[in-house]
Amino acid sequence: GQQVMQIPQYQHVQEGEDFTTYCNSSTTLSNIQWYKQRPGGHPVFLIQLVKSGEVKKQKRLTFQFGEAKKNSSLHITATQTTDVGTYFCAAPNMDSNYQLIWGAGTKLIIKP
Amino acid sequence: DGGITQSPKYLFRKEGQNVTLSCEQNLNHDAMYWYRQDPGQGLRLIYYSQIVNDFQKGDIAEGYSVSREKKESFPLTVTSAQKNPTAFYLCASSILGSHNEQFFGPGTRLTVL
Repeated sequence: GQQVMQIPQYQHVQEGEDFTTYCNSSTTLSNIQWYKQRPGGHPVFLIQLVKSGEVKKQKRLTFQFGEAKKNSSLHITATQTTDVGTYFCAAPNMDSNYQLIWGAGTKLIIKP
Repeated sequence: DGGITQSPKYLFRKEGQNVTLSCEQNLNHDAMYWYRQDPGQGLRLIYYSQIVNDFQKGDIAEGYSVSREKKESFPLTVTSAQKNPTAFYLCASSILGSHNEQFFGPGTRLTVL
């Protein structure tokens, strides 16, 4: 079935270092969404990318959608403790108009 | 305030007992979803509903049941047939269509003893 592969599973960074997570699909995606889940919390929508090659920024966060609409990335510049959590990508299920296929998530951990 | 509420936040049950998790939304969304999340893992879809009195199985529906008698409410019952029910359960809602963002409730952490 349709899958969205997300890597890495974990990323340990020093505060102030950058962080990147990647999502890849074998099929063309109509759009991709990104969510953040704080420890012990629930996923919160960050952004949706729709257009081929689209790049969107939210302060220190940069979201990209590949030209072929099969991959996407989230890059955080100069991480802060408030960035800690798990970042998920999600894309519409081609077989259903109402389901999202979720990546496994990348956990951002700040080294003490 | 508009949003989704789930209760209770923590729930403990003995093995073999059915348990019902509550999910209520006042966002006027037609679509509602139940997900299961296990430690260190992503979200797996249990059931979803697009309209009152209609719902569809997700990827891991076995051992679970739902109802959608009102637009605002989508309760999930974890039955004794679910082999490994201990998990974090998340309810979400959205405007119809998978291109729309999903809004999540705070979740219920179920522990079966």
